[in-house]
Amino acid sequence: DTAVSQTPKYLVTQMGNDKSIKCEQNLGHDTMYWYKQDSKKFLKIMFSYNNKELIINETVPNRFSPKSPDKAHLNLHINSLELGDSAVYFCASSQDHGYNEQFFGPGTRLTVL
Amino acid sequence: KQEVTQIPAALSVPEGENLVLNCSFTDSAIYNLQWFRQDPGKGLTSLLLIQSSQREQTSGRLNASLDKSSGRSTLYIAASQPGDSATYLCAVKGANSKLTFGKGITLSVRP
Repeated sequence: DTAVSQTPKYLVTQMGNDKSIKCEQNLGHDTMYWYKQDSKKFLKIMFSYNNKELIINETVPNRFSPKSPDKAHLNLHINSLELGDSAVYFCASSQDHGYNEQFFGPGTRLTVL
Repeated sequence: KQEVTQIPAALSVPEGENLVLNCSFTDSAIYNLQWFRQDPGKGLTSLLLIQSSQREQTSGRLNASLDKSSGRSTLYIAASQPGDSATYLCAVKGANSKLTFGKGITLSVRP
């Protein structure tokens, strides 16, 4: 059974478009995260939500807006896409915001043309 | 600001060799350290989690150690196999609850 799932797996779009990436976890975790892995493979946290409440908001353009309809879902909406947004976006979850292991989804490769 | 370094960036070894992957971090005030494996085009698989109060964790052929005071961790892989070929990432969780990643070590195990 898939623990952390993301859709779509690949997303190719034009500059200026708005797109969303969905994430769901069936682990019963309270905390979910979004990470960005750039072309140099460097992984960096973007956001974290604990029980639907925003906990971490890194220096991310406000074109990126996470939305957590319930604690099993954390979606990422991106407005006015730019070339530099091309990357692999990973969703992750953990039992809570403290000491526990994080589990990652398979990633969504976003290509902006 | 926490910085995590993994050197070298790439490593190639013959099958059967025991090997050690290194990770260093600048701020010793961490909650835990996690080692991940990433296969090409895939997500991250958690290998081992070491809490700040622990010295090591073991899972099968893998053993991870943590020396918080010196800001170092090692991942030991015994009797390496071609299936171990992947990128290994080290990440530390700090007091701000953020997971900070190193850039990874790409391991190639030659048959």
